[in-house]
Order: sequence, then C-alpha cells, then structure tokens
Amino acid sequence: KAGVTQTPRYLIKTRGQQVTLSCSPISGHRSVSWYQQTPGQGLQFLFEYFSETQRNKGNFPGRFSGRQFSNSRSEMNVSTLELGDSALYLCASSHGTGIYGANVLTFGAGSRLTVL
Amino acid sequence: KNQVEQSPQSLIILEGKNCTLQCNYTVSPFSNLRWYKQDTGRGPVSLTIMTFSENTKSNGRYTATLDADTKQSSLHITASQLSDSASYICAMDGGSQGNLIFGKGTKLSVKP
Repeated sequence: KAGVTQTPRYLIKTRGQQVTLSCSPISGHRSVSWYQQTPGQGLQFLFEYFSETQRNKGNFPGRFSGRQFSNSRSEMNVSTLELGDSALYLCASSHGTGIYGANVLTFGAGSRLTVL
Repeated sequence: KNQVEQSPQSLIILEGKNCTLQCNYTVSPFSNLRWYKQDTGRGPVSLTIMTFSENTKSNGRYTATLDADTKQSSLHITASQLSDSASYICAMDGGSQGNLIFGKGTKLSVKP
C-alpha cells in the first residue's frame, strides 16, 4: 500500500516568488492536512481538507492557501515568499473525518522549501 | 493560551536502558493526545493516540500515560534500541478550534 507522497521533496525559491506543493494521500483517505515545521517553532498546523472542503485553518496569513481535488490529492500554495517561510512542509492523510476523532494521521516525508 | 511543552529538549541514553519523556499541556478542551516519532529527514510516525478519558496506551516498547488532573503525559521507552534515536513529539487535538497543537519535541539519542 503506497504511503503519502509529497512533491517536490526539495526546492529553492527567492523572496517574492510563489510556490505550489503537492500531496497525494493514501488511497481511500479523504482527509488531507498540512503542517509547517521549523527548528524554532516546531510543527504548526496550516489547514485541513475533507472532500474538497477546507474544514479547519491554523493561524497563518492569507499568503498560505490550499485546495483539494475530487481524487483527494491536495496542493498548498504560498505566495509572495518571505525568508521566514523556509521550512519543511508536511502533509498527512487520514481515513476518517479528519483530525477530529482518534484517527491515525499518516505523514508524508515532506517538501523542504528554502527561500533565498 | 493553548500550549504543549515537552521536556527534556534532548536526552542521551545507553542502548538497553529505559527512558521517560514528558509532555505538559494547557490545552483545553482536548479530545486526543498523540505521540509521534520523527526520524531525521522523514515525516512523523504515530506511536499512540489516547482520548481524554484514557490513562495509558501501549505500542510495543512504547507506553504513553495521561494524567488529566496534573495535565501531564509521559512516553516511556523500554529497553531502548539504536533505532529509537529520533525526535519524539507530543500533540493534542484541542482548543477552541480543535486544531492539532504540537510540542517542540524531545531529541533522543541512543548510544551503543
């Protein structure tokens, strides 16, 4: 059974550019959530999608957005990149109705973004 | 403010020894407390999930406990192995929005 796949694994951008990251969940999982991980702040919740609808959102500026397609694949976009956006971006999928309830989250390996 | 704090920040132990990692929280209300293991360069892997009404949950050599009165959780690792070297992260589904709130993790190094 394939795991959660994130692409690209590594990317380098410059300030002001935008970036799109992709996440393919485990087959059958309908919930996809996104997280930012930095050495200083640790893991922080960005947003969660279920059946193409954003159900929950963390405390990040509007430059961070996402969407989910009918096949449950998800993308997140960061516009007008800042140096502080350099981080590991992780997505996770779950079988149930998202992060609520005792659903196991399966994480991908992440996309490491460096902003110069 | 909803927070999850973990201690120690880092820990070095010898192979075969036991260790206990701590997680203190102020998240209220919460529905679940989760422990994850994260190897360097990889995504977190779920170890245990406990609801607010559970006191203990085991997964092989990993045992998590939850004390709702003191707002503390611990992860006990028995008979450590070199492969246990990783960061261990405590997280809670909770707060007014029910988001996942993470601790900053404990970095465990197991030496031969």
